[in-house]
Amino acid sequence: GAGVSQSPSNKVTEKGKDVELRCDPISGHTALYWYRQSLGQGLEFLIYFQGNSAPDKSGLPSDRFSAERTGGSVSTLTIQRTQQEDSAVYLCASSTGLAGLLAPHNEQFFGPGTRLTVL
Amino acid sequence: AQRVTQPEKLLSVFKGAPVELKCNYSYSGSPELFWYVQYSRQRLQLLLRHISRESIKGFTADLNKGETSFHLKKPFAQEEDSAMYYCALVRRGGATNKLIFGTGTLLAVQP
Repeated sequence: GAGVSQSPSNKVTEKGKDVELRCDPISGHTALYWYRQSLGQGLEFLIYFQGNSAPDKSGLPSDRFSAERTGGSVSTLTIQRTQQEDSAVYLCASSTGLAGLLAPHNEQFFGPGTRLTVL
Repeated sequence: AQRVTQPEKLLSVFKGAPVELKCNYSYSGSPELFWYVQYSRQRLQLLLRHISRESIKGFTADLNKGETSFHLKKPFAQEEDSAMYYCALVRRGGATNKLIFGTGTLLAVQP
């Protein structure tokens, strides 16, 4: 159907609370990415899921951040005990095809993002 | 370390003027570079990739390995070109191909 969708579009929370952000990738896309977009910081890679492989979590900034991808489709990014510095736009993207040294890079299709504000 | 540098946070030009958005990279292998664009209230989307050597919306970008640059150029800017532009580099490794983004340049085309 439509492109990548994310919910909620905006989330305001209090410091110390947990939040969950959801991403619905394009149907059939095996790769799913989470990024964080902050003013002056560009786009920061957080985590990457590819098919049934173990996710690449190397971009997660702390152990308060975690993500799951259920059934190879929907993904949830969870931030525990939120801090003010977590305020940002969280973007999800999906793409088709394989990763690896010989694989061509496949265009990433981005969702509209979730704007998180931690008070 | 792999890195993408966009030195300008903001580039303001007048309509009809030439535009050059700078991008420099550091990468030990053969780089694969892209420009992504985000128009106001729209999603981030791919603009062009160096491997295709294409021109999209009048924009071109040439990979210069000697200068490690991939600057985005357009001879005559239009108001609708106003947007946030991100240069990105693919970092390949194992099962992961990551896109490494620069910090972005906001292009403002004045009437």
